[in-house]
Amino acid sequence: GAGVSQSPRYKVAKRGQDVALRCDPISGHVSLFWYQQALGQGPEFLTYFQNEAQLDKSGLPSDRFFAERPEGSVSTLKIQRTQQEDSAVYLCASSLVPGGGFASSYNSPLHFGNGTRLTVT
Amino acid sequence: KNEVEQSPQNLTAQEGEFITINCSYSVGISALHWLQQHPGGGIVSLFMLSSGKKKHGRLIATINIQEKHSSLHITASHPRDSAVYICAVFWNTGNQFYFGTGTSLTVIP
Repeated sequence: GAGVSQSPRYKVAKRGQDVALRCDPISGHVSLFWYQQALGQGPEFLTYFQNEAQLDKSGLPSDRFFAERPEGSVSTLKIQRTQQEDSAVYLCASSLVPGGGFASSYNSPLHFGNGTRLTVT
Repeated sequence: KNEVEQSPQNLTAQEGEFITINCSYSVGISALHWLQQHPGGGIVSLFMLSSGKKKHGRLIATINIQEKHSSLHITASHPRDSAVYICAVFWNTGNQFYFGTGTSLTVIP
């Protein structure tokens, strides 16, 4: 597809279950970001990949959260032993350039997926 | 944490009004994005700025690097502009964006 695709769109999990959220970035995009957005809040950074390398995982809230991008394209965010406080929208974004920053010679905006709404009951 | 602050948090305007949303940030950045988020979560990148001003249709974004401030203006607002507008900055160092909490805009016909 032409945009960033995330699946599933909605996920309901019982407390203690493991979940896996998928992100298909735009083909050829180097940077991939995962964000967590609680209701009424702005997105909070979770982790960043440059191709297959996870360069920053400082935003992952606990060791129950794990992300991978083994071939530098599709990424999976896994949450083990889900807790109610994990309920949020999980957003994936990709960018053509490394780091999502600005290169003076061209414009490379972030492209967001529609997110996965996770509800832990 | 409040590295990025937006104002106002909520804004209601009559159709046709000129709208300004402000964003202030606390450290040096390499890029600032204005994003539009519609109900249901879809986010669209409106602008990416590192200096000066950009215009796209009825939208204008400006940034003042010295004052660490950016504004998003909407001219001749329309009900379809109703959305949450989010400012996101990319630090000079590090690999992440910091987002403001957003400005919820409602344009009334």
